[in-house]
Amino acid sequence: KAGVTQTPRYLIKTRGQQVTLSCSPISGHRSVSWYQQTPGQGLQFLFEYFSETQRNKGNFPGRFSGRQFSNSRSEMNVSTLELGDSALYLCASSLWASGDETQYFGPGTRLLVL
Amino acid sequence: DAKTTQPPSMDCAEGRAANLPCNHSTISGNEYVYWYRQIHSQGPQYIIHGLKNNETNEMASLIITEDRKSSTLILPHATLRDTAVYYCIVRPATDSWGKLQFGAGTQVVVTP
Repeated sequence: KAGVTQTPRYLIKTRGQQVTLSCSPISGHRSVSWYQQTPGQGLQFLFEYFSETQRNKGNFPGRFSGRQFSNSRSEMNVSTLELGDSALYLCASSLWASGDETQYFGPGTRLLVL
Repeated sequence: DAKTTQPPSMDCAEGRAANLPCNHSTISGNEYVYWYRQIHSQGPQYIIHGLKNNETNEMASLIITEDRKSSTLILPHATLRDTAVYYCIVRPATDSWGKLQFGAGTQVVVTP
């Protein structure tokens, strides 16, 4: 079974631009979560989707948004990029949203904002 | 704040067992212990998880103390490819994954 895939893997943007990152979960998985990882802050939760509905949202500004499609694929968007948005963005999927479940991570998208 | 405490780093000789401790003294009865590892600049990789009983899979063994306040991840025969940051996480079964909290983890370096 294929793992979680994320595209693109690497991205360079300039301040003020916007970016859209894509995540395809493991086949059959309905829950998708997004995380931001930086050297200073570690791994921080952005948002979680289950069956196209946002279930949880982390403490990030409104510039960060996401959505999930009917096939469970998910996208996240960051508008008006800032230098501090440079990070590894990770997507993770699980079968359900809770319970004795395992969450599997994708390889991440490395975003550099200049 | 993360609910777990791990040593910041540890070294291990290749071929030897690596024993990674984790303290989770405030763990609740319905909270699972999960272990992930992250090799530099890659996504975290699931290793193992458990509730009360010891668990073993093809990657590692998880030993949970009887009072569940601490656990140990055992990599039976460490290889150079096991060099990574290892995260111990506690998560209630009733919570969504969105409440998962990763701490700083343990940087494990396997040396030849």
